[in-house]
Amino acid sequence: GAGVSQSPSNKVTEKGKDVELRCDPISGHTALYWYRQSLGQGLEFLIYFQGNSAPDKSGLPSDRFSAERTGGSVSTLTIQRTQQEDSAVYLCASSQMGLAGGGNEQFFGPGTRLTVL
Amino acid sequence: TQLLEQSPQFLSIQEGENLTVYCNSSSVFSSLQWYRQEPGEGPVLLVTVVTGGEVKKLKRLTFQFGDARKDSSLHITAAQPGDTGLYLCAGRGGGKLIFGQGTELSVKP
Repeated sequence: GAGVSQSPSNKVTEKGKDVELRCDPISGHTALYWYRQSLGQGLEFLIYFQGNSAPDKSGLPSDRFSAERTGGSVSTLTIQRTQQEDSAVYLCASSQMGLAGGGNEQFFGPGTRLTVL
Repeated sequence: TQLLEQSPQFLSIQEGENLTVYCNSSSVFSSLQWYRQEPGEGPVLLVTVVTGGEVKKLKRLTFQFGDARKDSSLHITAAQPGDTGLYLCAGRGGGKLIFGQGTELSVKP
C-alpha cells in the first residue's frame, strides 16, 4: 500500500486482557515509531525502531507495554493486562530515515482506537 | 524534560477571520514541525522550520520559528471551514520528536 496501515482500527477489550496492535509501515522506511494519543491531547512518544539498532523504549509507560519489529518491517505493540487508563488512540508512524536524519518527515497511520472496559 | 506548550487549546472562529496559534518551550529545538490532524486520521506534516527566525508560507498559512529556536507560531489568514482540525507542533530534540498538546480549531461557515 501507499501509506502506513494499522489494524485493527478499533479494539474494545475487558480490563485485564492482553491486546496486540499491528502496524505496516511504508515499504523501505527504516524508522518506525509508536505514539499514544489520549482524547484531545497531543502525541505521547512510546517507542522508536531504527534499522537494526536496539529500539528506544524510553517512552513505554510500564512493563505491561512491549513492541517488536520483525524483519525491519511490520511492528506489533502488545499491552498486557490492560487497564482503563490504557484507553487511547495508538498511532504508528514511519520515516525514510531515523531521527538523526534531521527534518525527516514522519508518515502516520490512521491509528487504533483502544477502549478498555 | 523538554516540553512544548501550545495555545490556545481550543479556538472557534467564523470563516474569513485570521488566527494565530503559538507553540512555546524553554528548550531549544534543532527543528520544529507543524502537523494537522483530522478526526479518525493520523497527523499530516505541514511544514518543517530549521533556522532561527525562519518564515515559511503555505498558501494562507504562515509559519515562523523563533530567533532562539524555542518557539514557533502558525498564522492562518482568512480561515476556511476546511482548515478545521487539530494542529500540532513537534520539536526535534534529545533524539526524539516532542509534541505539543495541540490546538483544536473549528472554523464555522
